[in-house]
Amino acid sequence: DIQMTQSPSSLSASVGDRVTITCRASQTISNYLNWYQQKPGEAPKLLIYAASSLHSGVPSRFSGSGSGTDFTLTISSLQPEDFATYYCQQGYSIPRTFGQGTKVDIK
Amino acid sequence: QVQLVQSGAEVKKPGASVKVSCKASGYTFSNYAIHWVRQAPGQRLEWMGWIIAGNGNTKYSQKFQGRITITRDTSASTAYMDLSSLGSEDTAVYYCVRDCIGNSCYSHFDYWGQGTLVTVSS
Repeated sequence: DIQMTQSPSSLSASVGDRVTITCRASQTISNYLNWYQQKPGEAPKLLIYAASSLHSGVPSRFSGSGSGTDFTLTISSLQPEDFATYYCQQGYSIPRTFGQGTKVDIK
Repeated sequence: QVQLVQSGAEVKKPGASVKVSCKASGYTFSNYAIHWVRQAPGQRLEWMGWIIAGNGNTKYSQKFQGRITITRDTSASTAYMDLSSLGSEDTAVYYCVRDCIGNSCYSHFDYWGQGTLVTVSS
């Protein structure tokens, strides 16, 4: 199974900050990497697919990059509604696997 | 608009089985796959298995092999996840999610059901 490791596990930031979350795969996954946002009590929502493609309706302050084993999710200017937990997930092979999550809270 | 609507919360005793349904609307059911993902309290998301809605082919996580069955009814645009021999460690929110299929597909879970809480308790 491909292991997905995110860092950091949590971070504190202020509105307007630039936030970067990284995700590392235990083996190469090309660009089969997706990012999701989850708020408490809600289902996750797709933000980015294929490493860098923005899902329909997702604000342009979210962006993704990377290929192979190392990937990044960037929020260019953190907004109040962005405080949530973020997960990466590989779509390269079965079983699909997720990172452990990165919780972004208010500083 | 695309929607996945799941069945309601369940409370089960250890050793019992649970069947969760996922009704799709707003798209051609047979042109996509449905995966099942669960999330235990405070834990990361965990992939359980998937079904290609058009032909019914399935694959399951080794962790659940022998305990899980995923089926679909194309006439009802509904997928089902059956999990048997439940234990307390199966207490979780279970999600169905849609995924693309085909050569040009970069697998991603673009629509999620609202989640079904399954509680296993004696």
